[in-house]
This record gives sequence, structure tokens and C-alpha cells, in this order.
Amino acid sequence: GENVEQHPSTLSVQEGDSAVIKCTYSDSASNYFPWYKQELGKRPQLIIDIRSNVGEKKDQRIAVTLNKTAKHFSLHITETQPEDSAVYFCAVHTGGFKTIFGAGTRLFVKA
Amino acid sequence: DAGITQSPRHKVTETGTPVTLRCHQTENHRYMYWYRQDPGHGLRLIHYSYGVKDTDKGEVSDGYSVSRSKTEDFLLTLESATSSQTSVYFCAISESVRQSEAFFGQGTRLTVV
Repeated sequence: GENVEQHPSTLSVQEGDSAVIKCTYSDSASNYFPWYKQELGKRPQLIIDIRSNVGEKKDQRIAVTLNKTAKHFSLHITETQPEDSAVYFCAVHTGGFKTIFGAGTRLFVKA
Repeated sequence: DAGITQSPRHKVTETGTPVTLRCHQTENHRYMYWYRQDPGHGLRLIHYSYGVKDTDKGEVSDGYSVSRSKTEDFLLTLESATSSQTSVYFCAISESVRQSEAFFGQGTRLTVV
């Protein structure tokens, strides 16, 4: 079945620096790649997504890049702020009906 | 927020008892999912449904069963709860499995003692 690996598991950055989180997947039929942010005690919520026919997508301070050949995609957060501190999950919609998530990255932004 | 409600929000139960968690949606979305969230494991798929009476297993389905008798409700049952099933359970819905995001319920914190 599909395997999604996410790195790093924990990331600590200084306010204003950039943060990068990477995910790899195994199912070449996967074609939709969302990223979710989960604040403490709350539900995961979508922050950005990318489809397989696009290589990069940007929304203000966040961007996602996709390399279908290498089967990996990354989340980039620039000019990080304390409110960016949360757990971030990548996800992959597989060739079947499933949505599989990475194990998550806990991001700390130090003021 | 999408119309998705989980009940109960919190439950404590004893080992060996059956437990049913309910997910109710008002969005008429076709796809529904149950995940469990544990430290260090992220969100793991238990079961999912792609239509009324159409369900399939996810990554961690052992000890769980599901039913979907109508579009709006997706039930998760622990036939005989064990301490390893202590977790936070999230239901999610999606309109199109390949094109759209999954909306999550608020979560259910289940403790098996």
C-alpha cells in the first residue's frame, strides 16, 4: 500500500527564518497532495495543496513544490512567525480512495 | 467550517466493552474516513467509505468495524475495547477523493481503562 514518510519530526526555527518540511510517497498514481496544520487541541485544517499537473504553488508566505519523478513534495514557510507554531501534516490521495497522512512535523518558532 | 459533527467528544470506557463513535455530516459528501491520532504516529487511517454500504479497511483496521447505512452517518465500532485503542479519533469527509481536501470533525478522545 501507499507509504508516506515525513521529515523532520521536529523543527525549531528563529522567528523570521524559513522552515522546510519534506514528504515522500510510493504510489505513482497519487495525484493530489494537501498540507494540513493542526494547532494544539484542534482539528487539522488545510493550508495549501497541489495537484500532480503543477510543480509549485504559492500562497503568501507558504509554498509547496512537487517532484513527481522523485515522488516527493515539500512545504516551505518563509518569514516564520510565532503563530506558525503547530504540527504540520502532509497527505497523499492515492490511486484508490484513500487519503494517507505523514506522521507530522512539530514546528516551533522562537520569538 | 464544513458541517461535520462527532459524538461523543470524550469517552472513558472499560476494557472489553463495546464502543461506538458517530460521525455525522450535512455536506452530502461521498467519502468519509476514520483516523486515529497518536503521538509519533500522526493520523492513521482505520476505515473509509466511498458510498452508502461501501467501506474498506485502512492501515490499522484490526479491532474496528464500520457501518454506513446512509450518506450522512459513518459509525466506528470497537467490538471489545482494549487499552491500545486509547487515542483521539477523527472523522473526515471529502467531496472528491482526488480533487478536494478532507474536512475534519472536532475529534473524540477515547480512554480505555
